[in-house]
Amino acid sequence: QQQVKQSPQSLIVQKGGISIINCAYENTAFDYFPWYQQFPGKGPALLIAIRPDVSEKKEGRFTISFNKSAKQFSLHIMDSQPGDSATYFCASGTSNDYKLSFGAGTTVTVRA
Amino acid sequence: DTAVSQTPKYLVTQMGNDKSIKCEQNLGHDTMYWYKQDSKKFLKIMFSYNNKELIINETVPNRFSPKSPDKAHLNLHINSLELGDSAVYFCASSQGGGAGDTQYFGPGTRLTVL
Repeated sequence: QQQVKQSPQSLIVQKGGISIINCAYENTAFDYFPWYQQFPGKGPALLIAIRPDVSEKKEGRFTISFNKSAKQFSLHIMDSQPGDSATYFCASGTSNDYKLSFGAGTTVTVRA
Repeated sequence: DTAVSQTPKYLVTQMGNDKSIKCEQNLGHDTMYWYKQDSKKFLKIMFSYNNKELIINETVPNRFSPKSPDKAHLNLHINSLELGDSAVYFCASSQGGGAGDTQYFGPGTRLTVL
């Protein structure tokens, strides 16, 4: 039973374009929504995270949009660069629980 | 200064063998995890330890046995390896116990069972 559903599975974007990845969760107890970035041959690394008390968080070219009523959140990569080519995972969890539930991942390819 | 390290990086072995993967973190974190990433890159938690105590044990065959000799180490021993065990195994650590704490992942161990 996958608690976090992520789409698309993969996407290709031109350099300078916008990449958008969407996630939907089921558990209304979730209160922490991170995005992890994984390069080939490396472990995932935290990119950006949001809590449900805000609807948007921006760090550089990366923005999380959060819709609590729809139980959805998304990652926007603005001005995509070839160095952004990686697999992105959304995740969800609760602050008083140890477990993070990960989405299936989205492979982003940025063409120069 | 590697924060979370794993050995070995690659492990190729025959079906039926027993193998171990070691993990060490030098971040002073209290919680450590083992994840399995399959060929489709799906990342699934297997175990979590907090201060050497097992706190998460997902539906994992009992051929997999984690051991935490101290807070900085979490090893994974796998008995009677099967073809389906082929995957990349990641160790991770976090400061506290809540899901809201950033998890720091190791570089992974690619296990291939022939």
